[in-house]
Amino acid sequence: EPEVTQTPSHQVTQMGQEVILRCVPISNHLYFYWYRQILGQKVEFLVSFYNNEISEKSEIFDDQFSVERPDGSNFTLKIRSTKLEDSAMYFCASSETGATNEKLFFGSGTQLSVL
Amino acid sequence: GEDVEQSLFLSVREGDSSVINCTYTDSSSTYLYWYKQEPGAGLQLLTYIFSNMDMKQDQRLTVLLNKKDKHLSLRIADTQTGDSAIYFCAEKEDGGFKTIFGAGTRLFVKA
Repeated sequence: EPEVTQTPSHQVTQMGQEVILRCVPISNHLYFYWYRQILGQKVEFLVSFYNNEISEKSEIFDDQFSVERPDGSNFTLKIRSTKLEDSAMYFCASSETGATNEKLFFGSGTQLSVL
Repeated sequence: GEDVEQSLFLSVREGDSSVINCTYTDSSSTYLYWYKQEPGAGLQLLTYIFSNMDMKQDQRLTVLLNKKDKHLSLRIADTQTGDSAIYFCAEKEDGGFKTIFGAGTRLFVKA
């Protein structure tokens, strides 16, 4: 089965530093997503992206966050100035058409630790 | 706002049935999902149910939906050690982009 790949699997950074989390969605998919899960808490929606635009974002996705599809294959999440509370597992996902009954394909996540 | 709640842990013996429960708040949810996460892997869609259905069966998996009580359950028959994982309940509104997840239920299967 095709896979969404995320790099790195673990990222440690100092508070205030910028981080970029990378994802390679499945090649024929058109919709891309970022979710995160703080340890012991729910998986939270951050943002969805289609046609080089944000289609929906949550309250968590403030000005410190940005997403980009810099080329035909990568989808990145940038956190401009990390805070301790940004420590979480970040999951990238993609889907082919964005339809409600369509399967989301998730990557295995990047564990971000902000010190 | 939308919310999905599920218990955090469940322990069963191999061969028994497992029942993982979930409650949700959004009555406009069109689809309800169960995802599975194995160690070191991403979430994988196990099954979903449309909101106008009461039950869906797929091999060892049975999903029951009680719309009145906004209660969703996943039953795994003849649970195997390979079923040990975290199971996430989730909901999505028709036409929406975001999926709302619970915190996940960690299923332990004892041999």
